[in-house]
Amino acid sequence: DAKTTQPTSMDCAEGRAANLPCNHSTISGNEYVYWYRQIHSQGPQYIIHGLKNNETNEMASLIITEDRKSSTLILPHATLRDTAVYYCIVSPALGSARQLTFGSGTQLTVLP
Amino acid sequence: DTGVSQDPRHKITKRGQNVTFRCDPISEHNRLYWYRQTLGQGPEFLTYFQNEAQLEKSRLLSDRFSAERPKGSFSTLEIQRTEQGDSAMYLCASSSTGDEKLFFGSGTQLSVL
Repeated sequence: DAKTTQPTSMDCAEGRAANLPCNHSTISGNEYVYWYRQIHSQGPQYIIHGLKNNETNEMASLIITEDRKSSTLILPHATLRDTAVYYCIVSPALGSARQLTFGSGTQLTVLP
Repeated sequence: DTGVSQDPRHKITKRGQNVTFRCDPISEHNRLYWYRQTLGQGPEFLTYFQNEAQLEKSRLLSDRFSAERPKGSFSTLEIQRTEQGDSAMYLCASSSTGDEKLFFGSGTQLSVL
């Protein structure tokens, strides 16, 4: 039973913002939203996570709706190196969850 | 911070053979995880260590699989009597208590012929 729903694939023009949506309508109050990405032939890479508030770091911004049922990962100026599979995961904090459950993710292709 | 290191990067074996993979986590990380990933799918959790204690195992980890982290530093994952269905990328990750980030290695790609 999937906890998140993501589009299978998306394209984005180089230099433009990439907005990756994620639905998590059954999220619980103690669950965080995590985003990871996986570039071909590499292990997943942590991007960002949040509980309720919007978050920003050097890689991306995470916008979580007020009801927490969906979120959007924003890569402000996509480059070709951002082409990857992006995973949205909802989970309690790692200390209690002890694992993250990955779905199939969104294949983002950044086009020149 | 030299990152999570996995060895070997690639392993080809014949069905029925035993294989062992090694993971060296980031040195100060006390938590270590093994995941398995097949083509087109996201990583699937196998097992979790906190220091040397194996605290959680997935149902995916059959009797043929065993993982150890003897001194709370590096870890090994052994698969006995390999089957073609074991062909996958085996990923190791580490983290430290209180940190919500998992740091993954580049994985070991296993092919069972």
